[in-house]
Amino acid sequence: DSGVTQTPKHLITATGQRVTLRCSPRSGDLSVYWYQQSLDQGLQFLIHYYNGEERAKGNILERFSAQQFPDLHSELNLSSLELGDSALYFCASSADHSNQPQHFGDGTRLSIL
Amino acid sequence: GDSVTQMEGPVTLSEEAFLTINCTYTATGYPSLFWYVQYPGEGLQLLLKATKADDKGSNKGFEATYRKETTSFHLEKGSVQVSDSAVYFCALIDNYGQNFVFGPGTRLSVLP
Repeated sequence: DSGVTQTPKHLITATGQRVTLRCSPRSGDLSVYWYQQSLDQGLQFLIHYYNGEERAKGNILERFSAQQFPDLHSELNLSSLELGDSALYFCASSADHSNQPQHFGDGTRLSIL
Repeated sequence: GDSVTQMEGPVTLSEEAFLTINCTYTATGYPSLFWYVQYPGEGLQLLLKATKADDKGSNKGFEATYRKETTSFHLEKGSVQVSDSAVYFCALIDNYGQNFVFGPGTRLSVLP
């Protein structure tokens, strides 16, 4: 058990919709990272937050946004969903701000119909 | 831009065989290098890392040495077990701590 909790585990929705994925980091970790894993793109870094502040941004679409709250949990918001957004979305956490993820959650599988 | 290349899988070995998974990278400056492992149905786990040239990362019998002259970070294990069956990802982060890049992953299957 990595200590990183992601909800929901599975999400099925339609094109054009908006969803929110939630992540609770491992206890004591201040950094949260989001990744997208798909068959064609592989594992892509999306964004990194440390103690509520955005630290680094990767290949995150403008339709996607994220935030980290004072209790350190994070949410990834995906809007105007397209079929190509179907993927496994992972959250990870670490204690420091070095952009080196240590502990990964089990992921949220998003299916767009 | 920065990139990571791994040997294509799947790699299929018999139990107790020697494992090598090749990883090479392209990056400016001095990146830090990582290996992650993803077991079926789970998230990734950090397996080992190296932060400067000639460093050797090791964990659970796996080793990898940061070779700047060949821009490589090959993963090795002397004797694999069935429980090592997983997907292995090589990754790097640039020395500005901004760009974290994963390789495509290599699936390893170990047969009893």
